[in-house]
Amino acid sequence: EAQVTQNPRYLITVTGKKLTVTCSQNMNHEYMSWYRQDPGLGLRQIYYSMNVEVTDKGDVPEGYKVSRKEKRNFPLILESPSPNQTSLYFCASSLSAGSVNEQFFGPGTRLTVL
Amino acid sequence: SQQGEEDPQALSIQEGENATMNCSYKTSINNLQWYRQNSGRGLVHLILIRSNEREKHSGRLRVTLDTSKKSSSLLITASRAADTASYFCATYLRGAQKLVFGQGTRLTINP
Repeated sequence: EAQVTQNPRYLITVTGKKLTVTCSQNMNHEYMSWYRQDPGLGLRQIYYSMNVEVTDKGDVPEGYKVSRKEKRNFPLILESPSPNQTSLYFCASSLSAGSVNEQFFGPGTRLTVL
Repeated sequence: SQQGEEDPQALSIQEGENATMNCSYKTSINNLQWYRQNSGRGLVHLILIRSNEREKHSGRLRVTLDTSKKSSSLLITASRAADTASYFCATYLRGAQKLVFGQGTRLTINP
């Protein structure tokens, strides 16, 4: 089944404890992206990747890192999480960055930073 | 600032009625997409309309696009309880490499 998977789905952590949220897609998509969703603010893009080893900042990249060593994986790294990073996170992928492509979303990761 | 803004923010109707949601955007686009999100879950792509198209249909969905007014509408006909969800428009900015989402319309279908 074609899908985007994220792990973990739920995470409660404490300020400053490094964490990684994994994202994997099995559709051979070139383009991958991370979003955070907050009440009243909608979805905001954190980072995106056009292809392997090509990443770029989205609208809210501060406090996050990403890597794209393989086509299928696009982990989101929080080196030193803070409470303002408490949010619902989504990974998404599409065939390419071209404008005609729909994005496929993962199920989301609900992160709470205490 | 938000590229896409949906209106209304919330809509509650009876099952069987039609639901209309609107989206306005600010800059030139290549296409506009609509997504659905069931509570707390991932977004699901519904329909894409290109900037040179004015109307598109998919099942019970009808999308219109008016580039002169920088607006789009999503019509869901003969609504069902399962249509209860949040609906987002997303625009693909020309020259950019990303979709920009609005804040969504929360649709509730009452049985």
